Amino acid sequence: GAGVSQTPSNKVTEKGKYVELRCDPISGHTALYWYRQSLGQGPEFLIYFQGTGAADDSGLPNDRFFAVRPEGSVSTLKIQRTERGDSAVYLCASSAQGNTETQYFGPGTRLLVL
Amino acid sequence: KQEVTQIPAALSVPEGENLVLNCSFTDSAIYNLQWFRQDPGKGLTSLLLIQSSQREQTSGRLNASLDKSSGRSTLYIAASQPGDSATYLCAVISNSGYALNFGKGTSLLVTP
Repeated sequence: GAGVSQTPSNKVTEKGKYVELRCDPISGHTALYWYRQSLGQGPEFLIYFQGTGAADDSGLPNDRFFAVRPEGSVSTLKIQRTERGDSAVYLCASSAQGNTETQYFGPGTRLLVL
Repeated sequence: KQEVTQIPAALSVPEGENLVLNCSFTDSAIYNLQWFRQDPGKGLTSLLLIQSSQREQTSGRLNASLDKSSGRSTLYIAASQPGDSATYLCAVISNSGYALNFGKGTSLLVTP
């Protein structure tokens, strides 16, 4: 596609529920990143994929968060037993290769946990 | 841990003024530095990327400089326009990782 796309754009869920957030990177980009942005803050890194594998998941806050990229393209961020503190905008980015390249961001998914 | 600071947090200027946004980072061992623009409720748009070996990059009315040894970057916006109103974020990738480390941003308002 022309850019990074994310679905849904907005998600409202109840505390304790499970959610999945989807990211479609720019076609051909091997590197994919997830970030989380709280109000008034800069984005914070969650996880980095190079191809199908998670090269760095050091930013995931706890084991309720998990992400996959089974075919090296689309990625899904999964949050189990959601908590109110998980409310934030979840941003996905992709780049052509790795850490020397420009990262291109999607519009984000705004998650609200009630 | 890399810490990125942006000053000022907010800035309001009349249309036509030239302005400078500042970014500092604590660890000078970086691959690159990137400036982004974020409009309310939107994702991030990349403005300029400066590799660690470079001193500056220019795009239209924007010029970004990098002084890696002192841990500083500036974003210069010439002849500001109301359409430049947005939050500007600075981010670096450290040699030790792949993730962008962001500052909190500078919220810019350009008034007609």
